[in-house]
Formats: sequence, C-alpha cells, structure tokens
Amino acid sequence: DAGVTQSPTHLIKTRGQHVTLRCSPISGHKSVSWYQQVLGQGPQFIFQYYEKEERGRGNFPDRFSARQFPNYSSELNVNALLLGDSALYLCASSWNSYEQYFGPGTRLTVT
Amino acid sequence: EDQVTQSPEALRLQEGESSSLNCSYTVSGLRGLFWYRQDPGKGPEFLFTLYSAGEEKEKERLKATLTKKESFLHITAPKPEDSATYLCAVRAFQQPGSARQLTFGSGTQLTVLP
Repeated sequence: DAGVTQSPTHLIKTRGQHVTLRCSPISGHKSVSWYQQVLGQGPQFIFQYYEKEERGRGNFPDRFSARQFPNYSSELNVNALLLGDSALYLCASSWNSYEQYFGPGTRLTVT
Repeated sequence: EDQVTQSPEALRLQEGESSSLNCSYTVSGLRGLFWYRQDPGKGPEFLFTLYSAGEEKEKERLKATLTKKESFLHITAPKPEDSATYLCAVRAFQQPGSARQLTFGSGTQLTVLP
C-alpha cells in the first residue's frame, strides 16, 4: 500500500514569497495533520484537518493556512516567507487520530 | 501545557551493547504515548503506541515500556542499522471535535558503531 506522499521534495524560496505544499494521505485515512520540524528539534504541530474541517491549529502565525479537499488530500500555504520558516514540513495521516503516519516531508529553504 | 523531555540527546553504542532511551512527559491526561524512528532527511516512522502505565510493546530489538511519568525504549544488542533519531510524542485527552495533536520531544540521536 502507498504511504503518505508529499510534494515537492525540496523547495527554495526567497523571503516574502508564497509557498504551497501538498500531501496525499494513506488510502482510507480521513485526517491529515501538518508539522514543522526545525533541524535538531522534534516536529511541532501546525494544523489538523478531519473530514475537510479544521480541528485545530498550533502556535503559528496567520501567514500559515491549510485546507483539505474532498479526496482528503491537503495543502499547506505559507505567505510572506521569513528566513525562520526554513524547515522540514511533515504531513501525517491517520484513520483513528491515534497512530499518525508521516510522509517523507518537504524541505523548504528560504533565502 | 504538555511537555516531553528526552534523554540523552545523543548516544553512541558499540554493536551489541544494550541500552535504554528515556522519555519523561507532563500531560493533562495521557491518551497515548508514541515512539517514532527518524532517519536523516526523512519523515518519522511509527514504532509503538502505549496507552497505560505498565504496558509494554516489542518489535525486533526494541522494547518500549510506560510508567505514569516516563517511557523507556530499550534496545537489545543493537546493530549499525539501528542508528537513527528516536522521537517520543504524547497525545493528551482532548474535547470532542478538537485537534488530536502530538507533542514531541527533541529526540535521542543514536549511533551504533560496528
């Protein structure tokens, strides 16, 4: 079975630009969560979506937004990029909101 | 606020030298404690879920245990391919309809030397 997929794998953007990251969950999973992982730290929760509705967001500014589509795939959008937004962005899917299965991540570099 | 602290930050072992990784947590009602393995530049790989104190789970050379304040990941006779960062995360009881978020520790970077 295919796992969680994310695109693109790597991305380089300039300060002030906008970025869109994409995630496809494991088939049958209706919940998608987004995490940011800075080098040397554990992942930090950004958003969770379940059945296309936002269930919650972490301590991130309004420049971060997300949505979930009818096929349960998801997009994470970040506006007005800052150097500090450079990180590995992880998508996780689950069917019961207990075990979350992570994708390979998108490495975002802001210059 | 939920908190997870992992120790040590880094651990170097010789192949075959057993050891344990520690995960201490503070959470307002534990709903689950999760262990993940993460290889450099990749996403975390799910290993175990523990739900209540006294519970144990095993997978190959790994064994996870849980008490009311901490969890241990025991590695028996490790091999070089066990080298990775091991992450611990907790999920607290939450109101229906609210986010099922995980709170992670910073991980233990394990290196197993041949």
